[in-house]
Amino acid sequence: GIQVEQSPPDLILQEGANSTLRCNFSDSVNNLQWFHQNPWGQLINLFYIPSGTKQNGRLSATTVATERYSLLYISSSQTTDSGVYFCAVVRSGNTPLVFGKGTRLSVIA
Amino acid sequence: GAVVSQHPSWVICKSGTSVKIECRSLDFQATTMFWYRQFPKQSLMLMATSNEGSKATYEQGVEKDKFLINHASLTLSTLTVTSAHPEDSSFYICSARDQGDTEAFFGQGTRLTVV
Repeated sequence: GIQVEQSPPDLILQEGANSTLRCNFSDSVNNLQWFHQNPWGQLINLFYIPSGTKQNGRLSATTVATERYSLLYISSSQTTDSGVYFCAVVRSGNTPLVFGKGTRLSVIA
Repeated sequence: GAVVSQHPSWVICKSGTSVKIECRSLDFQATTMFWYRQFPKQSLMLMATSNEGSKATYEQGVEKDKFLINHASLTLSTLTVTSAHPEDSSFYICSARDQGDTEAFFGQGTRLTVV
């Protein structure tokens, strides 16, 4: 099956710093999503981005489908950004999302 | 975005009992829903694909007689953990997509503790 690799696995930031999270995938996909898992476990949809670039406030994402990677940018980080960020992809059709192992982000004041 | 509701959010049960978890799509119809399990500090692992009106498809290593899935309507899938044991303690979370769409949405998750 398709492999999804995220880096870095862990990241500690000072409040106000910027960061880039990376997601590599091993095959072509027709869906790629970024999620933030909060301390209560809920998965928050950040971006649905099979290709191109999107921005939402301090967050933006870029997927280069031909090179099989996606990047999530967090600018001016806040303590509330802490949590685990997951990248997940769908190979084709109505198949389930396959998740990477996540990046655990800690933003300290 | 679409809303997926999962209930209960947490449950504690005794070994040997069964627990039912519900997953509802509130504002769309979902012919397919997905059930995942997450152990502490790990990623989400797919357990099974729930198909409306037909049998679920289980991933390798997931016991279908232990994790019963029923998808009786286009808005409701249930996961029943039968004869629960402490090793079944985990975070269970469901996902659904609107028909014809590819963006997936997740329920709030259910934290199961078996004592």
